[in-house]
Amino acid sequence: AQSVTQLDSHVSVSEGTPVLLRCNYSSSYSPSLFWYVQHPNKGLQLLLKYTSAATLVKGINGFEAEFKKSETSFHLTKPSAHMSDAAEYFCVVSFMDTGRRALTFGSGTRLQVQP
Amino acid sequence: EAGVAQSPRYKIIEKRQSVAFWCNPISGHATLYWYQQILGQGPKLLIQFQNNGVVDDSQLPKDRFSAERLKGVDSTLKIQPAKLEDSAVYLCASSLALGHGDTEAFFGQGTRLTVV
Repeated sequence: AQSVTQLDSHVSVSEGTPVLLRCNYSSSYSPSLFWYVQHPNKGLQLLLKYTSAATLVKGINGFEAEFKKSETSFHLTKPSAHMSDAAEYFCVVSFMDTGRRALTFGSGTRLQVQP
Repeated sequence: EAGVAQSPRYKIIEKRQSVAFWCNPISGHATLYWYQQILGQGPKLLIQFQNNGVVDDSQLPKDRFSAERLKGVDSTLKIQPAKLEDSAVYLCASSLALGHGDTEAFFGQGTRLTVV
């Protein structure tokens, strides 16, 4: 079975300071991992994905994430937060299971950015 | 490139009524998903299609929910009869066919259902 745990339901940072959103996963197979962002009243947008290539993945809007197999983690970071980063972020794990591609979402982390 | 289209955007119904949602995936995407997102939670997969065949419907409440994708393109999700706990955003997503490497899913804006 696979699962994903987002360790913080809410994170609040000041504009211009670093962002860290934490994600741990559990998977019996080699997973693919994604981060999606959801702005209010908008659809889910892919930020970045890890699919067994480089362990440090760069995404859009200055976000990046590092896959650490030994820690089963895939934390999302950004050096300097912007007001427009305020949104809900979802960590997603995916693997091939008997021909299916199951996408399992974490419960989400709401990022607040203070001026 | 057009994205995943869903309609309606919003729907309010009374409990025990029926409702249907429509999804048009990105052209050429063989895999289509329906997710349910309850307020404050992450999306939960309801059903996954590969072309017009069901790949996974293990979490679909089949006593009241049904979905079809007859021609392998558009899909409809139906709830009959609706319960209060069905209030949620219903998201449709699509991706390239299984076996085309690992590709991300593209999501529509969702249909917000309120059952009163």
